[in-house]
Amino acid sequence: NAGVTQTPKFRVLKTGQSMTLLCAQDMNHEYMYWYRQDPGMGLRLIHYSVGEGTTAKGEVPDGYNVSRLKKQNFLLGLESAAPSQTSVYFCASKNTNGPGYTFGSGTRLTVV
Amino acid sequence: GDSVTQMEGPVTLSEEACLTINCTYTATGYPSLFWYVQYPGEGLQLLLKATKADDKGSNKGFEATYRKETTSFHLEKGSVQVSDSAVYFCALTHNTNAGKSTFGDGTTLTVKP
Repeated sequence: NAGVTQTPKFRVLKTGQSMTLLCAQDMNHEYMYWYRQDPGMGLRLIHYSVGEGTTAKGEVPDGYNVSRLKKQNFLLGLESAAPSQTSVYFCASKNTNGPGYTFGSGTRLTVV
Repeated sequence: GDSVTQMEGPVTLSEEACLTINCTYTATGYPSLFWYVQYPGEGLQLLLKATKADDKGSNKGFEATYRKETTSFHLEKGSVQVSDSAVYFCALTHNTNAGKSTFGDGTTLTVKP
């Protein structure tokens, strides 16, 4: 099925560990985004990309890095995880003039 | 900057009751407005949209009208079902700004039989 696929779905990290979250879309969308969702705070934009090889900072980029080497993939990295990064992470994609976002099903990350 | 304010939840209704979830926004220019729905354990799904003033978006019995004069985009449904229980997010997007969206905090709806 066409859409946005996120891996992994769940992960528990220890403080200081690193990991990479993968987002893949098969809709040929130009734009891709990483959001985090925390209780009572809605969705906050971490980083985004307007095309292959380009990335930009969103609202809450500290502690995260991203890469978009291929148009269909958008990777989110945590170099040294902190408990404050415990959250649900959503990837989304959008066509340039599309009607709205297509979201992945999310990654639930717990940092202990 | 842009902002979206939704009515605070949670909202609990009986089946077949009428639903209104308020959403107001602050933005420059003429953004597109959206409602997304998130079912438990899932990602957000686009529910409906409106791209200009006085447009009405509709889907699955839900409706919302883009009111520029009151900067509002309230979500309505005439008769809710148990299956409508979910979290609803209002959002706005400027298509000229890398398509970035600003989301409200979400409103949790629970419908009881």
